[in-house]
Amino acid sequence: QAQLQESGPRLVKPSETLSLTCSVFDDRITDTNHYWAWIRQSPEKGLEWIGSVLHTGTTFYNPSVRGRISISADTSKNQFSLKLRSVTAADTAVYYCAKHVFTQWFGPWGQGIPVTVS
Amino acid sequence: IVMTQSPATLSLSPGESATLTCRASENIRGDLAWYQQRHGEAPRLLIYDAFTRATGTPDRFSGRGSGTEFTLTISSLQSEDFATYYCQHHHAWPKTFGQGTKVEI
Repeated sequence: QAQLQESGPRLVKPSETLSLTCSVFDDRITDTNHYWAWIRQSPEKGLEWIGSVLHTGTTFYNPSVRGRISISADTSKNQFSLKLRSVTAADTAVYYCAKHVFTQWFGPWGQGIPVTVS
Repeated sequence: IVMTQSPATLSLSPGESATLTCRASENIRGDLAWYQQRHGEAPRLLIYDAFTRATGTPDRFSGRGSGTEFTLTISSLQSEDFATYYCQHHHAWPKTFGQGTKVEI
């Protein structure tokens, strides 16, 4: 099955932009049946789905971050990326990427990357 | 849609059975998934569509329910089952998770 790997800076300053990339192995993000998602986890908010992208660029975002978020897909690299603007300490979390199967459930997941806003 | 799990913690011994509950704030039919998260690891999909086991999920895990009330039962707990379990509805946008039930020894 697919393997996913998050990468990017682990420390971001307040008001700046958090940027992460998810590399997908042993699967193709061009599969038309599935989206690709970003989910974060913090002690305060628990697990929170923040957005999903189809390889065409179609996106769905959580209203909690709408206006600050953009997710894009790069089919040539089999990757998808997250940008979260104007971050605050409340955006500190472990960020996971995952396959969003039929836009329903999530699996498999990447190992997660901790990001601190400070 | 708000997902509420109970109890927050379940203290059991290996070999015992565990029953975890997840309630949705509105009718989600059978659109529910369960995940297991071991300490320091990412969540792993166990069950989707309320009762369908994901590939690799042992048959000691079983899901039931529809509408607003769901259960995950783990029969005969193994050492690797002591973890935190989350439910997630996949009925509508945004997809939301419960706050988790920790199954501890």
